[in-house]
Amino acid sequence: QSALTQPASVSGSPGQSITISCTGSSSDVGSYNYVSWYQHHPGKAPKFIIYDVTKRPSGVSDRFSGSKSGNTASLTISGLQAEDEADYYCSSYTSSTTYVFGTGTEVTVV
Amino acid sequence: QVQLQQWGAGLVKPSETLSLTCTVYGGSFSGSCWNWIRQPPGKGLEWIGEVNHRGGTNYNPSLKSRVSLSVDTSGNQLSLRLTSVTAADTAVYYCARGFSASGRYPNPYFDSWSQGSLVTVSS
Repeated sequence: QSALTQPASVSGSPGQSITISCTGSSSDVGSYNYVSWYQHHPGKAPKFIIYDVTKRPSGVSDRFSGSKSGNTASLTISGLQAEDEADYYCSSYTSSTTYVFGTGTEVTVV
Repeated sequence: QVQLQQWGAGLVKPSETLSLTCTVYGGSFSGSCWNWIRQPPGKGLEWIGEVNHRGGTNYNPSLKSRVSLSVDTSGNQLSLRLTSVTAADTAVYYCARGFSASGRYPNPYFDSWSQGSLVTVSS
């Protein structure tokens, strides 16, 4: 199974909005709404921030939102803050009944 | 609040077997599915496989021939064995709980993670 494709890096200024794309195929993102997103500060445990494409777990800031169109899912971070600087990964269920992660995106707050 | 704590050898020789164990504190061990995920240095996350409380397993096809997951429900533990390791298996390994919003399979989300441990394959 091939990793989902994400941009290597995205940057934005404090207060701005940024969007991270996650492109898969009709065997994963395009066929299932089992898309999730994770925030990972290096050296720490990844944090679960979006599931079912658009839903936020309890306690996750509403500045994080998800969407999907066709084979591409997206994560938008609005009101960018310094603490949002981290790596972000998408994940999807696949038609092989396995799970696949994205290649990861480094978010920089400039 | 679920907490996952893992341990195992941090250095493994090429061609030998990597073994890690993860203990789950809090939550319902028997009501969940448990995963192993890894991150090679400078690379992204890779799902290794999942195991339920009955010992049923599901593996990443790229690792299936070398990986074995098991559970010990009496000790709330899950274990990973990866045989015939090479330098490409050097990574930070995580255990994580699988979560299903519907309460039914699949459990496609990883809502609680361990801190991770670096396993280096080197002679």
